[in-house]
Parts: sequence; C-alpha cells; structure tokens
Amino acid sequence: DAKTTQPNSMESNEEEPVHLPCNHSTISGTDYIHWYRQLPSQGPEYVIHGLTSNVNNRMASLAIAEDRKSSTLILHRATLRDAAVYYCILRTSYDKVIFGPGTSLSVIP
Amino acid sequence: NAGVTQTPKFQVLKTGQSMTLQCAQDMNHEYMSWYRQDPGMGLRLIHYSVGAGITDQGEVPNGYNVSRSTTEDFPLRLLSAAPSQTSVYFCASSYMSGARTGNTIYFGEGSWLTVV
Repeated sequence: DAKTTQPNSMESNEEEPVHLPCNHSTISGTDYIHWYRQLPSQGPEYVIHGLTSNVNNRMASLAIAEDRKSSTLILHRATLRDAAVYYCILRTSYDKVIFGPGTSLSVIP
Repeated sequence: NAGVTQTPKFQVLKTGQSMTLQCAQDMNHEYMSWYRQDPGMGLRLIHYSVGAGITDQGEVPNGYNVSRSTTEDFPLRLLSAAPSQTSVYFCASSYMSGARTGNTIYFGEGSWLTVV
C-alpha cells in the first residue's frame, strides 16, 4: 500500500497559490519526500523532493513539517498548464515505489 | 541524453498473443520498474528490479514476466494477452541510494496497449 495519503481532488483559481497537502505519518528517518505530477496523456514527471528542510525550485516549493509526518507542495501562481494529477511518495533506498491515487488539481480560468 | 526509452508507443494485440514491451535507460540506474495505468486510475506497480539479475513482484504481477540481464534494459513480457491488460504501461528508473539526488524517478513516455 502507498505510504502517503492525499485529497482526491482540489480546485484553484488561475494565478492564485495552491497548497497541496500530503500525510506520511509512518515516514522513517531516511525516507525522502518526492512529488511528481502527471499531465493528461503523459508520463509522470518529477516536481521536487526533500528530506528535512523546505525546498524551492523553479517549479514549486516543498514545505516539510517539523516532525516530517506531513508536507505541502506549493505552486505559487497556478496556471492552466498546472492542471494535473499530483503524486506525493516516500522514496526509500533499496525499496520498491508504490504510488497512491494522487490529487487531481483543476485550475479555473 | 535519451533518458528512459519505451517501445512500442502503441500496440494492438489479439487475445492470447504474447508480446514484449521494451524499456531502456542510459543513466546507469540500478532501479527499474514497470507500472500500468488504467483509464482514470493511478499507477500500479507490476514488477521492479534493483539491479541486473534481480527482479521482484509489485502489486499486480500476474500475467507479466520480466528479466534484467543488463543494467540498461528491463523488458516486460505479456505471456498470453487478455482484454484486462488493456492499459498504458510506464517504465521508470532511478538510482537506489538516497544520497544520489534523492532517488529521483525518471519515467518513459508510455506504451498504449489495447487487447481485443
């Protein structure tokens, strides 16, 4: 089973920030938190990852709770091209990767 | 840098036929895996490998075989195709050690398979 839980769907208005939550209460000390997104009819693509500290890149920011049992992917200004399914997973060394159903993000013009 | 390459991109099979989906990566990744994705659903792990000569089952392995004779290649074989195997198949690869870029996973573009 997936080690993370996410809301099934979320909506956002265009050009507004979006906060996508993820719970991972069973995370271990060496697990990395990864986010991927899947645009329609495409393969998943990497968005961001982190271990303990908050992370920023050109696509998004990742806020990790102090106890690491939850995290939030932040899209600073949602665009129509950000409409996708977003997956939060735990990446454990030397172990298989199970994806949950993810969060389907709709962006309203 | 080609990344993860899957072939074919589209395939139609008749029930009972066998075929192989090819997957190759040029990043020297130890970890490779196959997922299937049915319409409107998430990714389900079929088989995975942590290195050449090592494979293991995922969530939905029945009806599929894999082998890993080289680091670069991880083919997925459908033994006797069934309509229930109509799906999109994604190959993925990554490093195994967390110290190497956090094990970022790279996906292929997908193979659309229809079994009639």
